[in-house]
Order: sequence, then C-alpha cells, then structure tokens
Amino acid sequence: KNEVEQSPQNLTAQEGEFITINCSYSVGISALHWLQQHPGGGIVSLFMLSSGKKKHGRLIATINIQEKHSSLHITASHPRDSAVYICAVADNYGQNFVFGPGTRLSVLP
Amino acid sequence: NAGVMQNPRHLVRRRGQEARLRCSPMKGHSHVYWYRQLPEEGLKFMVYLQKENIIDESGMPKERFSAEFPKEGPSILRIQQVVRGDSAAYFCASSPATSGRPSGYNEQFFGPGTRLTVL
Repeated sequence: KNEVEQSPQNLTAQEGEFITINCSYSVGISALHWLQQHPGGGIVSLFMLSSGKKKHGRLIATINIQEKHSSLHITASHPRDSAVYICAVADNYGQNFVFGPGTRLSVLP
Repeated sequence: NAGVMQNPRHLVRRRGQEARLRCSPMKGHSHVYWYRQLPEEGLKFMVYLQKENIIDESGMPKERFSAEFPKEGPSILRIQQVVRGDSAAYFCASSPATSGRPSGYNEQFFGPGTRLTVL
C-alpha cells in the first residue's frame, strides 16, 4: 500500500462546478501540504495543514487526523484551475516529505 | 522579494558528464529542499539542507549524487557521471526557519525547476 494515495487520478469538470480531491495517508504525520503544479511544470504551495480547515479564495482544505484523510475543494471552478494537485505529507519528525501521485484536473469552459 | 531561483532552467548533458544544478532560496530563508520528478512520475524527496548542514539525505541515491548549501551562495545539487535515467525535472524549495518546530510545518516556496536531459 502506498503511503499517500489520491483520488481521483484524473478529473474533468465543467466551469463553475464544485470540485473535491481526496488524499489518504498511512503514516503518522506532522503536517500535510497541498501543492498545485501548472501545465508548464511550476509548483505552487497552496496549503499547509496540521488540523482543521483552511480557506484561501475559492480553495478550501480540510484534514481529519484520526481518519488520516484530507480533502481539497475548489468552488466555482474555472479553466485556469486546470493543473495537477498534489498532496504531500511530512512524517512525524517533520523532515521527510512523501508525495501523492497527483490528481490531474481539467476544467472545461 | 524575488522568489526561489534555479539555474539553469534547462540542462543537457551527455552520459558520463557532470551536472550542477543551482538553487538560490528566497531572501531570509535558511532551509532548502531538493526534489526530483521523473517523466510521468510524482515528486520524490531527495535532500533537506540548512546552511552548511545536511539535515536529511534519505532520498538521495547512494552514488553519484551530492548536495551542499554553503554559508555564502546558492545550494548546489551535483550529479556525477550522469546516466539517461537521471533525466528528470529537479525542483528546489525553500522555507524560513521556524524556531522549535520540525520543517514539515513550514510552507515551502518552490523554484521553477531545472529540466535535465541526458543524451
């Protein structure tokens, strides 16, 4: 079993739809990060979570430590949200990062 | 405040040559991380450095790869005697020091990456 799993692997949505991307992990963690990788390859850090919920614009990230699960939500999706979304966890020592395989999102106009 | 800078952006090497990848962290950041993304694969952690100190190199291949972050100047990822399997995108990220907390709590700022092609 991979340490970090994401679902779905690929996601196509129509502009305006509400999107959810899920991340499950099997290791004890100190923090979980959501990253966005653009088609050109650049990577942007979206959130760092150790508990609860964070919101930034149309993006919302939640984490349930007991269930070892996190979700990334995008409200009112837009074609510019098209990217690969990557979940990454830092282990309990906080130093070694393990990445999920990514979810490729395409938002159609 | 300039972001994380990496150079070169693209690097082509022939088998057996050396590759040197540079990463200048954001101003005020003292933590640097290197990651590798093989074609059609996910990101993999390689090494975590602070100034003049390697904190965690558990993701580094045992041979041919080395990294440093000197007191002055950029962090360098060095690959000796490159092989075709080293072709990948290499990303650097930096974060500020967060006193008393493990690095996993720090938001990381990524550079644009260096795409290494080994012919």
